[in-house]
Amino acid sequence: QLQLQESGPGLVKPSETLSLTCSVSGGSISSSSYYWGWIRQPPGKGLEWIGSMYYSGRTYYNPSLKSRVTISVDTSKNQFSLKLSSLTAADTAVYYCARASYGKNDAFDIWGRGTMVTVSS
Amino acid sequence: SSELTQDPAVSVALGQTVRITCQGDSLRTYYANWYQQRPGQAPILVIYAKNSRPSGIPDRFSGSSSGNTASLTITGAQAEDEADFYCSSRDSSGSHWVFGGGTKLTVL
Repeated sequence: QLQLQESGPGLVKPSETLSLTCSVSGGSISSSSYYWGWIRQPPGKGLEWIGSMYYSGRTYYNPSLKSRVTISVDTSKNQFSLKLSSLTAADTAVYYCARASYGKNDAFDIWGRGTMVTVSS
Repeated sequence: SSELTQDPAVSVALGQTVRITCQGDSLRTYYANWYQQRPGQAPILVIYAKNSRPSGIPDRFSGSSSGNTASLTITGAQAEDEADFYCSSRDSSGSHWVFGGGTKLTVL
């Protein structure tokens, strides 16, 4: 069964760049049937889509975050990553990685448990 | 438009039927997907492509769509259904995903 696991720092300083990795186990990241994405949720608030990547490397980013976001894939490690630059307190959130299935209306059908990131000096 | 609008909160008596709605221009083109999120947990997919359920999701969950509105219906709500529910779809450009603001469901 496919599983996703986020990893990265829990605390980052303002103006710095956040780097998170999502490790995929139980299946290959190199499949034409899926997108791989990042979603975040500030404390007490709703879900916000950050961006997604197709296995080919094509990326799709939230227009409101596009200037600060980079999503990349490392097929040799079966991982994909998120970089978010110029952090502010507003970027404090639980960050989820998830798989979106082309055959399920591009729905995010498998999620990681999420990792809490706090932006503070 | 890239917005999906949901009512912030809805309540239902135990065993009764409740409908949660989601409105947005993109829903005229794309079907909605629905997610359930219990406190402290990651979201789980409950409905995709208008009215399909992933394996393991009870059949009391169903979806529908008309015009710019998608709906999630829970027929015979159970105590364990109390959660936040989010709709999501592609935006009108088709290049981005978008989530609704979420609906908090209380089972009385």
